[in-house]
Amino acid sequence: EAGVTQSPTHLIKTRGQQATLRCSPISGHTSVYWYQQALGLGLQFLLWYDEGEERNRGNFPPRFSGRQFPNYSSELNVNALELEDSALYLCASSLGTAQETQYFGPGTRLLVL
Amino acid sequence: QQQVKQSPQSLIVQKGGISIINCAYENTAFDYFPWYQQFPGKGPALLIAIRPDVSEKKEGRFTISFNKSAKQFSLHIMDSQPGDSATYFCAASRWEYGNKLVFGAGTILRVKS
Repeated sequence: EAGVTQSPTHLIKTRGQQATLRCSPISGHTSVYWYQQALGLGLQFLLWYDEGEERNRGNFPPRFSGRQFPNYSSELNVNALELEDSALYLCASSLGTAQETQYFGPGTRLLVL
Repeated sequence: QQQVKQSPQSLIVQKGGISIINCAYENTAFDYFPWYQQFPGKGPALLIAIRPDVSEKKEGRFTISFNKSAKQFSLHIMDSQPGDSATYFCAASRWEYGNKLVFGAGTILRVKS
């Protein structure tokens, strides 16, 4: 069974641009989570989507947004990129709303120059 | 308080030894405590998880010990191997809090052969 997949693996942008990151959950999983892993800041929760709805949001500015598609894949958009947005962005999926076990993808490494 | 404090920051263990990583939490409402293993360039992989109604859980060489009264839990890796060298993260969550995992800062484990 395929795990969580993310694309692209690496992304280089300049300050002020927009970045779009994509995630496909494990087959059968309806919940998708996004986390930021920045150097020195650990793993920080960004967003949670379930059944196409945003269910929870971490302490990040509104320029971090996303959506979940009918096939449960998800997209994370980061607008007006800042240098400190450089990080590994991890997507995770779980079976559903009440299922805590989250399985992570390999991440997208975003570098903002 | 939603923090999870993890120690030590780094750990060196001889092959065959026991690796012990500790975590402490403040919020007694947390009810799910997973441990993740992360290799460089990869996403975190779920190792083992426990709930507060269980004091110990073992899976192969990995054991979680849970002390509800002290609000602490720890990961023990028995017969540590060089292949166990990775970064380990503890986490805590409660689905009523939006299913977000609150992570510890991580422990870099190196097993010397």
